[in-house]
Amino acid sequence: ETGVTQTPRHLVMGMTNKKSLKCEQHLGHNAMYWYKQSAKKPLELMFVYNFKEQTENNSVPSRFSPECPNSSHLFLHLHTLQPEDSALYLCASSQDSNSGNTIYFGEGSWLTVV
Amino acid sequence: GESVGLHLPTLSVQEGDNSIINCAYSNSASDYFIWYKQESGKGPQFIIDIRSNMDKRQGQRVTVLLNKTVKHLSLQIAATQPGDSAVYFCAVAGRAGGGNKLTFGTGTQLKVEL
Repeated sequence: ETGVTQTPRHLVMGMTNKKSLKCEQHLGHNAMYWYKQSAKKPLELMFVYNFKEQTENNSVPSRFSPECPNSSHLFLHLHTLQPEDSALYLCASSQDSNSGNTIYFGEGSWLTVV
Repeated sequence: GESVGLHLPTLSVQEGDNSIINCAYSNSASDYFIWYKQESGKGPQFIIDIRSNMDKRQGQRVTVLLNKTVKHLSLQIAATQPGDSAVYFCAVAGRAGGGNKLTFGTGTQLKVEL
């Protein structure tokens, strides 16, 4: 139990579908993150939210749409994805987004786009 | 920007031996360093961190060494056990990267042989 819970753990979707990934953290943190992990590649930062405000969008295509209604919840809305978007999507949180705060990860959502 | 590289993609050790996993980073302004462990099917798990004002930090069976002169980071695992088998990532953050943006290496797969 990491304190960061992601659902669903596995998702298969067609390229025309709309789905969402959900993340909830129980650590009392104020910053939340989405990372993408593809095979043989380093983790890639996608989005950062600090106190519900988006502070970082790492040139992510608009087919990925994040939402942070409060400091404990983070969503990643998915629509018209491509097969190359298939990956492990990791949510994470930290006390805030200042440098030096340990980032804690969830177990990830495995996404397959067919 | 920052780049992070691990010296070996795979490391095999005998159970009971010590393991050393190495990591190099590029930006001398980086000031926060973390090691994560990722087991198959799980998210990255925080192991230990170190800040740039230190050169050594010890945890339970793990030690992180930081050599800022050559921009090198290592993780030492004492008396390696089968449960230590996983992929190990180093991550680097700091003022150069802005905020708490971690740059990750590609990971070293540690295999523990019985």
